[in-house]
Amino acid sequence: QKEVEQNSGPLSVPEGAIASLNCTYSDRGSQSFFWYRQYSGKSPELIMFIYSNGDKEDGRFTAQLNKASQYVSLLIRDSQPSDSATYLCAVNGPTGGFKTIFGAGTRLFVKA
Amino acid sequence: GAVVSQHPSRVICKSGTSVKIECRSLDFQATTMFWYRQFPKKSLMLMATSNEGSKATYEQGVEKDKFLINHASLTLSTLTVTSAHPEDSSFYICSARDSVRQGPYQPQHFGDGTRLSIL
Repeated sequence: QKEVEQNSGPLSVPEGAIASLNCTYSDRGSQSFFWYRQYSGKSPELIMFIYSNGDKEDGRFTAQLNKASQYVSLLIRDSQPSDSATYLCAVNGPTGGFKTIFGAGTRLFVKA
Repeated sequence: GAVVSQHPSRVICKSGTSVKIECRSLDFQATTMFWYRQFPKKSLMLMATSNEGSKATYEQGVEKDKFLINHASLTLSTLTVTSAHPEDSSFYICSARDSVRQGPYQPQHFGDGTRLSIL
């Protein structure tokens, strides 16, 4: 069983729509949760992090965490073509010495 | 804040050459840095965890004699690909975490990566 699972996509949404990206994790001891955006040929860029259950909003991005369900999601409102990228979910906890575990990523394509 | 500088951004060299890649945390101290490798359209693959003042921890299947890691200060880690061959061509990315001030639950911040091409 993969430790952090994401749908590989591609997820295709029209410009202006809400893009919903999902991630599940296996380690119940996980404490911190991150979303990174990676454009083709570039390195990952941190866009959101969340530690507590519930929602966290930052501009057009909202991260949602449900530790009971071991589920974390990222919503992108008013999607723009520039949001087209691969989104990596990452999870960190004491298991394995605080090593951050990355999902394989979901490719998002926003159609103009 | 939390800027990680990686150098060089691109290397093209002949087979058999050793290549050194530097990773610096510019505005924070990092007791731990990470080295990743990524092939086109593939996932990040953690190669090793670099610990300041001690030996690096390598992931299973990564040859430590092939990929030498040195983390001599709280702001600098280096990865040396020794006697590189065409199969070592890849995108190498470092990351660092501000674990000194903020603890181990903080996010990793990535350098811009080094594209290595071995002819």
